[in-house]
Amino acid sequence: DARVTQTPRHKVTEMGQEVTMRCQPILGHNTVFWYRQTMMQGLELLAYFRNRAPLDDSGMPKDRFSAEMPDATLATLKIQPSEPRDSAVYFCASGSSGASSTDTQYFGPGTRLTVL
Amino acid sequence: AQSVSQHNHHVILSEAASLELGCNYSYGGTVNLFWYVQYPGQHLQLLLKYFSGDPLVKGIKGFEAEFIKSKFSFNLRKPSVQWSDTAEYFCAVNEYSGGGADGLTFGKGTHLIIQP
Repeated sequence: DARVTQTPRHKVTEMGQEVTMRCQPILGHNTVFWYRQTMMQGLELLAYFRNRAPLDDSGMPKDRFSAEMPDATLATLKIQPSEPRDSAVYFCASGSSGASSTDTQYFGPGTRLTVL
Repeated sequence: AQSVSQHNHHVILSEAASLELGCNYSYGGTVNLFWYVQYPGQHLQLLLKYFSGDPLVKGIKGFEAEFIKSKFSFNLRKPSVQWSDTAEYFCAVNEYSGGGADGLTFGKGTHLIIQP
């Protein structure tokens, strides 16, 4: 049963520290999405990649957030420096997209981030 | 920009009652429509999806949804709910644009509580 995996599952850090979240998409999926879930804003798209190339990161605060895909099996989301308002659950999702495909996004378990 | 509106933020029902959760979206192009469920403390799971064809789609756990293009609606239904259906339900939409589907735009969610 293929699943998206995310690490760490929980992270507590102090304001100003760097946070790195990792995601392993389902093998064979070529699209990776990062979402953030908060009580106030709900679920928001931060960024996504297709075939490891960034397609849209307009939902991401550019000054402190960065997203990368070093290889097809790893996506990272980094916050530097972190702030209390970044506290949220960060979800990674993967899917298989193509010119003639209809794709479904499969979500990972999320990383619950608390910035003190 | 796309937006998704879920009319009911909190719904409380008794077991065996019928369920309908409203979802409207605003976008004039070709969209894909989804309902996801999030059980307490868990990640999002796909209930059902609509890409094209029959506007009445059936999903897992006895759920179904009907796409009414003229009303920009994609309401979720279940004829008889169970206590185990207690969860958060999210309607989502994305656009298919040639190379693949974009990131999802989510509604704010509906918190469903089923009383035994």
